[in-house]
Amino acid sequence: DVKVTQSSRYLVKRTGEKVFLECVQDMDHENMFWYRQDPGLGLRLIYFSYDVKMKEKGDIPEGYSVSREKKERFSLILESASTNQTSMYLCASSSEPPGTSYEQYFGPGTRLTVT
Amino acid sequence: RKEVEQDPGPFNVPEGATVAFNCTYSNSASQSFFWYRQDCRKEPKLLMSVYSSGNEDGRFTAQLNRASQYISLLIRDSKLSDSATYLCVVNANAGGTSYGKLTFGQGTILTVHP
Repeated sequence: DVKVTQSSRYLVKRTGEKVFLECVQDMDHENMFWYRQDPGLGLRLIYFSYDVKMKEKGDIPEGYSVSREKKERFSLILESASTNQTSMYLCASSSEPPGTSYEQYFGPGTRLTVT
Repeated sequence: RKEVEQDPGPFNVPEGATVAFNCTYSNSASQSFFWYRQDCRKEPKLLMSVYSSGNEDGRFTAQLNRASQYISLLIRDSKLSDSATYLCVVNANAGGTSYGKLTFGQGTILTVHP
């Protein structure tokens, strides 16, 4: 069974703090993704990575950065947290096509509150 | 226009009912289509892929209309356990460089009541 784990289920941070969210997958997947999910807006892609040290901006990268030093680990960094970054953050991974499913496997999510 | 649009609902149906969800996508280059299910306070999980010829998995039937850029999900004989948010998901494979990137609709909420 594929397993994607995230470092925290709940996190409360203050405005201006630097925040690290970590994600680890155990299936040797090439692709990893960070999303945020907000009511009425659905899942929005922040960044993704298709290989170690490689990253691509998603639809809403502003205010975020990422790091992928090892294949199994993908970190999301909020350099200076703001209240509008209060959200549910979901990490996902998938294997590289072609010939394989595009199915993404999600972690349980981190609910981040910035006060 | 959003890349993937769904009616957010909510849909409230009695047990045993048949319910259908619709979804439209804007990118005609989209290659792969899926329905994901997300239970309350849980992560999304793949429910089923959607194939051009239509496909069925038990009580669930998915249809794709490429000409109209339209996807549907039909649930027959609804169960209480079908209560969840259903996400329409599309992959646009532009020359094989999409890296598995998916675009999610905002989801349709279904509540099945006794």
